[in-house]
Parts: sequence; structure tokens; C-alpha cells
Amino acid sequence: EAGVAQSPRYKIIEKRQSVAFWCNPISGHATLYWYQQILGQGPKLLIQFQNNGVVDDSQLPKDRFSAERLKGVDSTLKIQPAKLEDSAVYLCASRAQGRIFNEQFFGPGTRLTVL
Amino acid sequence: AQTVTQSQPEMSVQEAETVTLSCTYDTSESDYYLFWYKQPPSRQMILVIRQEAYKQQNATENRFSVNFQKAAKSFSLKISDSQLGDAAMYFCAFIQSGGSRLTFGEGTQLTVNP
Repeated sequence: EAGVAQSPRYKIIEKRQSVAFWCNPISGHATLYWYQQILGQGPKLLIQFQNNGVVDDSQLPKDRFSAERLKGVDSTLKIQPAKLEDSAVYLCASRAQGRIFNEQFFGPGTRLTVL
Repeated sequence: AQTVTQSQPEMSVQEAETVTLSCTYDTSESDYYLFWYKQPPSRQMILVIRQEAYKQQNATENRFSVNFQKAAKSFSLKISDSQLGDAAMYFCAFIQSGGSRLTFGEGTQLTVNP
């Protein structure tokens, strides 16, 4: 089965610009996650979707970050305007619903550099 | 809130030798899962091994095994017969049963020397 797809793999922008990342989860996976991984740290959950509804966005900086999953499949994460501290790898992950074992499958990530 | 701590930012091992990576966690939950993830330079997070808290038996997956000490809230990863391809960042992670938020440690960078 195909894995979690993300694009772009790399993005360089200047501060105050906008940027968007795209994620396509594994087919049939109802749950989708966006994580932020700052260099030298573990991933931190930004937002979790169940189908097209938000389950947890408590750690999403809502003044500049937004995310959507309109049809319950693909998702986009947007940053507007970007700050220097947003430089990080943004990981998308997905999980099948109803699994006893809570394995999340991760995509390759998007490395964002804000100059 | 759960916390996961990895006290070894970097570790190194000789090829074919054994290395142990440490992880401790803090939770008030009694039912949960623990994981070790591997993240090579490609950034793809790969699940290495998992442990269900209700199981007393330590999980093993080929050359990878864990030492799960529930009372001590300790969850270490042992890699036997280390290979060059094992070089990566290793993350310990926690999730409570029925939950969906993974909490990660800070990671341990493993270097394998030929």
C-alpha cells in the first residue's frame, strides 16, 4: 500500500511570507495528524483530524497557522505570516480508525526554512 | 500531562556490537502504549517496536528488544548486532490507550562506527 505523501519536501521563504503544505494520507485512514519538529527536538502535535473534523488543535498557533481537510482525505497546513521560529520539519501522519493498536504512519515531511 | 524523557542526546556503537538507548516517562495512566521510532536523515519516521503496558513480557523485533519496567516508568531499547543502517535519530513515544496524541521524547542520535 502507498504511504503518506507530502509536498513539497523543502521550502524556503522569507519571514512574513505565506506557505502551504499538502498531505495525502494512506487510503482509508480516517485520522490525520500534523506535527511540527524543530531541529533537535521530538515532533509536537499541531492538529488532529478525524475524517474532516478537528479533534485536537490545542497546540496550533491559530493566529498564524490554519489547517483543513475538506473532504476527509487530503489536508493542507498553512502558515501566514511566517516567523523565523517556524523553521522546522512539518510531518503528516495517518492512522486507520478502529485499530486496537494505535500505530501512526508518517510521511517524509516538509522542511521549512524561514529567512 | 504525559512527559517522555530521553537523557542521551547522542550515543555511538561499533558495528556488530550492542547498544542500549534509555527512555523514561511520566504518566498517571495505567493503560498505554510505548514506542520506539527511528528517523534516518530522510526524515521518515519508522516504527521500530511497540510495547503494550498491560503486557509484562518485553517486546522483541529481530535485533531490537525493549526492557520495560512499568513501576520505574522506564522503557529502554536494546539494539543487538548493530548495523550501519541503524544509524539514525531514535525517538521514544507514549500514547494512552484509547487516545491518539503521541508524546515524543527529545531523541537520541545513534552513530554506528564501522
